[in-house]
Amino acid sequence: GNSVTQMEGPVTLSEEAFLTINCTYTATGYPSLFWYVQYPGEGLQLLLKATKADDKGSNKGFEATYRKETTSFHLEKGSVQVSDSAVYFCALYNNNDMRFGAGTRLTVKP
Amino acid sequence: EAGVAQSPRYKIIEKRQSVAFWCNPISGHATLYWYQQILGQGPKLLIQFQNNGVVDDSQLPKDRFSAERLKGVDSTLKIQPAKLEDSAVYLCASSSSSGLAGGNEQFFGPGTRLTVL
Repeated sequence: GNSVTQMEGPVTLSEEAFLTINCTYTATGYPSLFWYVQYPGEGLQLLLKATKADDKGSNKGFEATYRKETTSFHLEKGSVQVSDSAVYFCALYNNNDMRFGAGTRLTVKP
Repeated sequence: EAGVAQSPRYKIIEKRQSVAFWCNPISGHATLYWYQQILGQGPKLLIQFQNNGVVDDSQLPKDRFSAERLKGVDSTLKIQPAKLEDSAVYLCASSSSSGLAGGNEQFFGPGTRLTVL
C-alpha cells in the first residue's frame, strides 16, 4: 500500500540555519509527491510538488527532489527565517489515494 | 476567488450524539475531499467525490460516518453516533476536474474542530 514516513519533530533552528526535513515513501507505480505547510492559525497549503522521478519542486526558497531510487522527497532550505515557523507535511498521491505524513513542527528563533 | 468554506468551525458534543459538517468547495472544482486530522497526526483521507459520485471511500468508517454531495457542489459529512475517538479536525478540500492526477493542487478549508465528551 501507499505510505509516507517523515522525520518527527519538533525541530528548532536559529535564523539563517540550514533546514532538512526527511521524507520517505512506499508506493507502487509512480506517485505524485507534495510538501504542504500549515502556518500558525492558518489552513493547509501546498508548498511544492513533484510528479516524476528526478523532478525538483521549489517555492519560497524551499526545495525537494523526487528520488525514486531512495524513495525519498526530503525538504531543504538554505537559510530559514522566523516566518518559516510552521508544521510541514509530506504527502503522496497514487491511484486515488492521498497519504500524509505525521507532520514536522519547525520553530525558527531569531 | 473565494476559498473552501466550512461550518461550523467548532463543535462540542457528547458521545453517542450525532453531528454534521458542511463544506462548500471553490467554484468550479469538481473534486471534493473530506479528511480527518487527529491531534499530532497528518490528515487522513475519508472520502473523495468527483462531482456527485464517490471516487473512493475505503477509509470511511461506514458504520457511523456518512457523506453526500447531492448536487455536485457542497457536501455534508455526518457522524452518528459519535465516539470519543472521533475528536479531531475535519478538513474539506477541493481540486479541479482532473483531481490530483499530475500533481494538481488541492485547496483546504479552515476545518471544523470536533470535541466529543
